[in-house]
Amino acid sequence: ELKVEQNPLFLSMQEGKNYTIYCNYSTTSDRLYWYRQDPGKSLESLFVLLSNGAVKQEGRLMASLDTKARLSTLHITAAVHDLSATYFCAAKETSGSRLTFGEGTQLTVNP
Amino acid sequence: KAGVTQTPRYLIKTRGQQVTLSCSPISGHRSVSWYQQTPGQGLQFLFEYFSETQRNKGNFPGRFSGRQFSNSRSEMNVSTLELGDSALYLCASRRITDTQYFGPGTRLTVL
Repeated sequence: ELKVEQNPLFLSMQEGKNYTIYCNYSTTSDRLYWYRQDPGKSLESLFVLLSNGAVKQEGRLMASLDTKARLSTLHITAAVHDLSATYFCAAKETSGSRLTFGEGTQLTVNP
Repeated sequence: KAGVTQTPRYLIKTRGQQVTLSCSPISGHRSVSWYQQTPGQGLQFLFEYFSETQRNKGNFPGRFSGRQFSNSRSEMNVSTLELGDSALYLCASRRITDTQYFGPGTRLTVL
């Protein structure tokens, strides 16, 4: 059974600082997703990572995937308040389309 | 291009009642998945439908059921509601191997 763990679960950081969220998954997965969720809102797709060594960047967020270590990271560069949200990683099973989500990382960026 | 739509957005029911939630996928998307989000259990997969057939089912009791129509719209039904069924129910649609795009969700409160 595929399991996904994120850490940290809570992250409070100052504007302008850098930080990384980690996502470990337990068994083989062929896709790794990162989503953002604002309070009371749905999930917004940020990145999909397909292969070992994949790196994607959008603005101040950069995601990477190491399939051998079963690890994905979401790196935040020079955080701004607008990045405050909960970030989820999700791994897809190799058969079917079921996504298994991590617990989420609640990010708060303070001025 | 219109996103995934879900109706109703909010629902209040009492224990023992049943409820039906509706999801209209993005045009051209034939796969619809349902997820339950609660503070305690996080995001959990309910089921996936493709071409009117259930392809995958999560670990939920038989009180949770769903179906998909020929126009790819999907409904999920929960019978004999329990307090623990209070949650945000999210629907996601995708093309065959694409990213899952989530709707705004239906927030169900069971009293």
